[in-house]
Amino acid sequence: DVKVTQSSRYLVKRTGEKVFLECVQDMDHENMFWYRQDPGLGLRLIYFSYDVKMKEKGDIPEGYSVSREKKERFSLILESASTNQTSMYLCASSLPTGRTYEQYFGPGTRLTVT
Amino acid sequence: GNSVTQMEGPVTLSEEAFLTINCTYTATGYPSLFWYVQYPGEGLQLLLKATKADDKGSNKGFEATYRKETTSFHLEKGSVQVSDSAVYFCALSLDNQGGKLIFGQGTELSVKP
Repeated sequence: DVKVTQSSRYLVKRTGEKVFLECVQDMDHENMFWYRQDPGLGLRLIYFSYDVKMKEKGDIPEGYSVSREKKERFSLILESASTNQTSMYLCASSLPTGRTYEQYFGPGTRLTVT
Repeated sequence: GNSVTQMEGPVTLSEEAFLTINCTYTATGYPSLFWYVQYPGEGLQLLLKATKADDKGSNKGFEATYRKETTSFHLEKGSVQVSDSAVYFCALSLDNQGGKLIFGQGTELSVKP
């Protein structure tokens, strides 16, 4: 079974702190994604990566950066956490299946910024 | 632009009731369509998918048919169970975008015994 793990299920940080969210997948997938999930807004793409050291902005990249030094690991960084970044963060990796891709999600990290 | 619109929730049903969750999309190009499910406290899981017009995706008693003429992908189940209580997300992806998904806002389903 594909496994996508995230470093923490729950995290509480203070405004202004630098926050690292880690994601690891064990199936050698090339593509990895970070989303945030908010009630009534669904999932919104923050950043994605097609390969090691490659990254592209998603729909809401402001206030975030990412790092992909190894294929299996994709990190989301909040440079200076703010209260409006309180959210559920979901990592995913994807595998091509025919014409399309199937995404596999981690369990999520619920981040609270106080 | 590309977008997905789902019916608003929460939806509350009694066990064995018929379920429909509406999903419509707007896309430049020919999307693949998906339904994902999120059980309480968990990440998202793929429930079903369809990659071309008139395809029917099905899994665990759930079905959805890709309707190009109405740009819709409505989720249906004939008889829901308490264990189906979850949040359901409709999503699309476009070719040559590495599997990037565009999600609807999610519909929370609560099934009462």
